[in-house]
Amino acid sequence: EAQVTQNPRYLITVTGKKLTVTCSQNMNHEYMSWYRQDPGLGLRQIYYSMNVEVTDKGDVPEGYKVSRKEKRNFPLILESPSPNQTSLYFCASSLGGDDEQYFGPGTRLTVT
Amino acid sequence: AQSVAQPEDQVNVAEGNPLTVKCTYSVSGNPYLFWYVQYPNRGLQFLLKYITGDNLVKGSYGFEAEFNKSQTSFHLKKPSALVSDSALYFCAVRLAFAYKYIFGTGTRLKVLA
Repeated sequence: EAQVTQNPRYLITVTGKKLTVTCSQNMNHEYMSWYRQDPGLGLRQIYYSMNVEVTDKGDVPEGYKVSRKEKRNFPLILESPSPNQTSLYFCASSLGGDDEQYFGPGTRLTVT
Repeated sequence: AQSVAQPEDQVNVAEGNPLTVKCTYSVSGNPYLFWYVQYPNRGLQFLLKYITGDNLVKGSYGFEAEFNKSQTSFHLKKPSALVSDSALYFCAVRLAFAYKYIFGTGTRLKVLA
């Protein structure tokens, strides 16, 4: 089944404890993105990648890192999480730049 | 600043009536326009897109949208609403010069039986 998977689905952590949210797609898509969804703000793009080893900042990259060492994986790294990073995070992928994005199921992160 | 506006937080419509969910945008260049739907506790699902060509775009589940360049709008429409259409709808713009997306704040559609 064609899909985007994210792990973990739920995570509660404390301020400053490094964490990684994994994202993997099995559709051989070139493009991948990370978003955060907050009430009243919609989705905001954190980082995106147009190919292996090619990443760039979205609208809200502060406090996040990404890497794209393999085509299928695009992990999101929070080196020192803070409470303002409490949010619902989505990974998405698309075959080409004009194509629709396929979204993962989301990761709900709480930083206390 | 580049932006996407969905002016209505919520739209209520009776089942069987036509529905419209509004979206306007302010970006430079020719944008790529998308609509996505989000059901509770799920990720977003693609409905339709406009890249170029015919201004009226047809998509999944009977939805359509009309691109209006002069009004910089891309309203989502459906001739006859179903209760199962109740969900959160997002308009999104991909900037022409980069793989950067701007999403609207979302409109909650409630279809009443």
